Amino acid sequence: DAMVIQNPRYQVTQFGKPVTLSCSQTLNHNVMYWYQQKSSQAPKLLFHYYDKDFNNEADTPDNFQSRRPNTSFCFLDIRSPGLGDAAMYLCATSRPGQEKLFFGSGTQLSVL
Amino acid sequence: GIQVEQSPPDLILQEGANSTLRCNFSDSVNNLQWFHQNPWGQLINLFYIPSGTKQNGRLSATTVATERYSLLYISSSQTTDSGVYFCAVESPGFQKLVFGTGTRLLVSP
Repeated sequence: DAMVIQNPRYQVTQFGKPVTLSCSQTLNHNVMYWYQQKSSQAPKLLFHYYDKDFNNEADTPDNFQSRRPNTSFCFLDIRSPGLGDAAMYLCATSRPGQEKLFFGSGTQLSVL
Repeated sequence: GIQVEQSPPDLILQEGANSTLRCNFSDSVNNLQWFHQNPWGQLINLFYIPSGTKQNGRLSATTVATERYSLLYISSSQTTDSGVYFCAVESPGFQKLVFGTGTRLLVSP
């Protein structure tokens, strides 16, 4: 089945140690999003790619970066994780003309 | 930016009961979606419904765009319906969905 896949499901990192989360999709969608969701809160958009065009939200910290080497893959890099970055990170995809958003199962990040 | 509020914030139901969840938004929208987040964190898209009414099994949704609200109806609730329900909206000219505050539903056997 076509889907959005996130690895790993759980990620533990140390304070200040760079970490990369990955997302892949078999839906061939143009748009890929990264959301951050903290406990008992709504998902918050960090940034998105429309094809290769990167769109950063104004309030996304510089500590968060993203790469999209091809249509299928997108990465979230956290350069120096702080305790406040512990959260669920959700990847989603969509395409123009089919506005429904499809989410992966998320990566739960812990920062020690 | 657009504000999205959902009510009630928490809801407890007995299995088999019906419920209505509400989403109010502060500006015109060209995209509105309802999601269910299960206890394991997976977000499932229930409806894409910027206007009108749709039904899918025991679930149905209605959006009255001119009055800036949407309703999600759950009939004959089951324990597997437990989780958090989010509505998310997009305003014209803004390429992003803004999520509402969510309604946490617990269906007990």
